[in-house]
Amino acid sequence: KAGVTQTPRYLIKTRGQQVTLSCSPISGHRSVSWYQQTPGQGLQFLFEYFSETQRNKGNFPGRFSGRQFSNSRSEMNVSTLELGDSALYLCASSSGQGRNTEAFFGQGTRLTVV
Amino acid sequence: AQSVTQLDSQVPVFEEAPVELRCNYSSSVSVYLFWYVQYPNQGLQLLLKYLSGSTLVESINGFEAEFNKSQTSFHLRKPSVHISDTAEYFCAATNAGNMLTFGGGTRLMVKP
Repeated sequence: KAGVTQTPRYLIKTRGQQVTLSCSPISGHRSVSWYQQTPGQGLQFLFEYFSETQRNKGNFPGRFSGRQFSNSRSEMNVSTLELGDSALYLCASSSGQGRNTEAFFGQGTRLTVV
Repeated sequence: AQSVTQLDSQVPVFEEAPVELRCNYSSSVSVYLFWYVQYPNQGLQLLLKYLSGSTLVESINGFEAEFNKSQTSFHLRKPSVHISDTAEYFCAATNAGNMLTFGGGTRLMVKP
């Protein structure tokens, strides 16, 4: 069974640009969550999508958005990039059924904003 | 709102010595608890989880954690560490399915 796939693994962008990151969950999983990991703030929840609907949202500005497609693949978009957006972005997939499901993480996309 | 606190940012230990990584949580409702491990330039791998039932949970590689409701703790222990256990460990909690709240992480450094 293939794991969670995130593309690309590395990205370098310039301040003010926008970026789109992609996540393909484990086959059969309908929930995809996104997290930002930085040395200063640690791991922070961005949002969760389940069956193409945003189910939970963290405390991030509107520049951070996401969507989920009918095949459960998800994308997150960051517009008007700031230096502080440099981070490892992690995607996690789970079945999304019930309250006690295990989240499987991808290897992440490391975004550097210069 | 819930929070997770990992009391030690770094824990140095000699190989074959025991180790305990501390985690405390705060939550006003039922909570599910997890320990994840992260190796350099990698994502997170689940070590073990507490959902309900027995308060002592074990992983396949010798780690164990005990859920203590009265002390709101979920400390991770291993009786004898190996060099390969060197990594960063994250404690996490949720009471809302897939919206995990993470602690700040503990870097375990195993020395020969």
